[in-house]
Amino acid sequence: GNSVTQMEGPVTLSEEAFLTINCTYTATGYPSLFWYVQYPGEGLQLLLKATKADDKGSNKGFEATYRKETTSFHLEKGSVQVSDSAVYFCALTGSTLGRLYFGRGTQLTVWP
Amino acid sequence: DVKVTQSSRYLVKRTGEKVFLECVQDMDHENMFWYRQDPGLGLRLIYFSYDVKMKEKGDIPEGYSVSREKKERFSLILESASTNQTSMYLCASKKGTDDEKLFFGSGTQLSVL
Repeated sequence: GNSVTQMEGPVTLSEEAFLTINCTYTATGYPSLFWYVQYPGEGLQLLLKATKADDKGSNKGFEATYRKETTSFHLEKGSVQVSDSAVYFCALTGSTLGRLYFGRGTQLTVWP
Repeated sequence: DVKVTQSSRYLVKRTGEKVFLECVQDMDHENMFWYRQDPGLGLRLIYFSYDVKMKEKGDIPEGYSVSREKKERFSLILESASTNQTSMYLCASKKGTDDEKLFFGSGTQLSVL
């Protein structure tokens, strides 16, 4: 079946530190992979996506590369800001009518 | 941009009450979803709909039902609310099955006392 496993949080960093949030997946077929972000008090919004192997998604300084050989889609940012504090969700598309499968989320807190 | 509107931000209900959570989207999306979000468990899919009057069970449908009489509106119904249904409920929508970006509402925090 389809599932997503992402690293347990919370993650606490100082401003300008390097960020990695690990995500691995299990899927049938060839899924698209996503990172969604949830800022406090809001719903989720798409951060970036990759639709095939070796694609790199990027947005707002965040990057993730679709690695089929390791079934991974790790989120990285070279220098985090306080405003990046949020919950980050890794997700993939399934074959059933366009539904997405989400990981459990990773809380990121960035201190000044 | 697409707007997904959930009718209430906070809701407090009593055990045994029938509860309706409403969600409306304004961009003619075919697919709509109801998730619940709990600490440590992430997002879990309750039900989804890919067309008017069509519905599919998600991973945790027990204790819930849904209604989609019009394309823009997707309602989640708790037939007899219980305390273990206290949660944040998130509605989402997207256009068709090939366009994969999900648009989320801001959520309804439901407390069942």
